[in-house]
Amino acid sequence: RKEVEQDPGPFNVPEGATVAFNCTYSNSASQSFFWYRQDCRKEPKLLMSVYSSGNEDGRFTAQLNRASQYISLLIRDSKLSDSATYLCVVNRRWETGGFKTIFGAGTRLFVKA
Amino acid sequence: NAGVTQTPKFRVLKTGQSMTLLCAQDMNHEYMYWYRQDPGMGLRLIHYSVGEGTTAKGEVPDGYNVSRLKKQNFLLGLESAAPSQTSVYFCASSLRGDNEQFFGPGTRLTVL
Repeated sequence: RKEVEQDPGPFNVPEGATVAFNCTYSNSASQSFFWYRQDCRKEPKLLMSVYSSGNEDGRFTAQLNRASQYISLLIRDSKLSDSATYLCVVNRRWETGGFKTIFGAGTRLFVKA
Repeated sequence: NAGVTQTPKFRVLKTGQSMTLLCAQDMNHEYMYWYRQDPGMGLRLIHYSVGEGTTAKGEVPDGYNVSRLKKQNFLLGLESAAPSQTSVYFCASSLRGDNEQFFGPGTRLTVL
């Protein structure tokens, strides 16, 4: 079982729709959480960090549920430009110290006109 | 600031050839990483460095070597390229181990 799991999609939604992605992680010692966005043939870029209290950035809302070990990303009023792959990222401490970053395989989103 | 840069952008190698990928960052970050990305696999960590002069193995280190002689540069070497190393290679850097990582534009490598 992968340490970070995402539904690969693709999610096909019309413009203006609301879409939600979930991501589960298996290690309860995970400490920090992020959503990255990756456009086709480009590098990943940070979309937003995910905080325990939940956080919002414009049309994007991220939530963390430590008890159930999942994080979510909600996109409201989808735009064509939101079409991309969304990567769930989890940081935890290595057993020997330092941090380990684990990337999910990503969820593909296509927003249609 | 250029951020994270990688050279070359594309490369085609024959099996058995060697090459070095260069990553440079101008953000004074301590941590640097090399990943490979294959379809359906997500990003997999090859090697990383927590500071100048240090390197450590990641998830898939076999067939690769790295060096971090200067804080701003992180080199990835393929000693004897194999077709299984055909991939997109991304370099990244971060201020600390639990911070956001900034990625370079990637190197597309094909090994024939």
